[in-house]
Amino acid sequence: QKEVEQDPGPLSVPEGAIVSLNCTYSNSAFQYFMWYRQYSRKGPELLMYTYSSGNKEDGRFTAQVDKSSKYISLFIRDSQPSDSATYLCARANFGNEKLTFGTGTRLTIIP
Amino acid sequence: GAGVSQSPRYKVAKRGQDVALRCDPISGHVSLFWYQQALGQGPEFLTYFQNEAQLDKSGLPSDRFFAERPEGSVSTLKIQRTQQEDSAVYLCASSLAGRGTSYEQYFGPGTRLTVT
Repeated sequence: QKEVEQDPGPLSVPEGAIVSLNCTYSNSAFQYFMWYRQYSRKGPELLMYTYSSGNKEDGRFTAQVDKSSKYISLFIRDSQPSDSATYLCARANFGNEKLTFGTGTRLTIIP
Repeated sequence: GAGVSQSPRYKVAKRGQDVALRCDPISGHVSLFWYQQALGQGPEFLTYFQNEAQLDKSGLPSDRFFAERPEGSVSTLKIQRTQQEDSAVYLCASSLAGRGTSYEQYFGPGTRLTVT
């Protein structure tokens, strides 16, 4: 079992829709969770990070962590064609800096 | 300010050749990471430096892979006797060290290595 599981998609939604992206993880150590966005032929770009259960909002993006069920989500409101990219979830243990990534979900927003 | 830069952006090597990939981290960033990303997969950790010290090299797939950061700034990932399975994008990331900040890793654009 991989430490971080993510549905690779692809996922296509119409412009303006709410997008839900999800990951599950298996390690219960105290840890941080991150969402990265990766455009084609570019490096990953950090979108959001959190280390506690609950929601964290930043503009159109909301990251949600449920540590009891080991489930992390990213919601994108009012999706735009420019949101079309691969979204990677990642985790890191407190005190150990290396990131463990999911496989990434390829998202396309249809105008 | 400038982000993480990597060179070359693309590299084609014949099987058996040695290659060297360079990473210039963000100025002042103490931590530097190398990841390998295969097509359609997420990045996989290779190795990590804090200043010039290589603190974790558990992700290096074989002894053909070697990384260095001699002056605590620029880093080089070297692959000896390349094999086809080494074909991937090699990503470099840097971060400020210290509790509460190390998870903010900033990635370069990557070097796409193709071994023929």
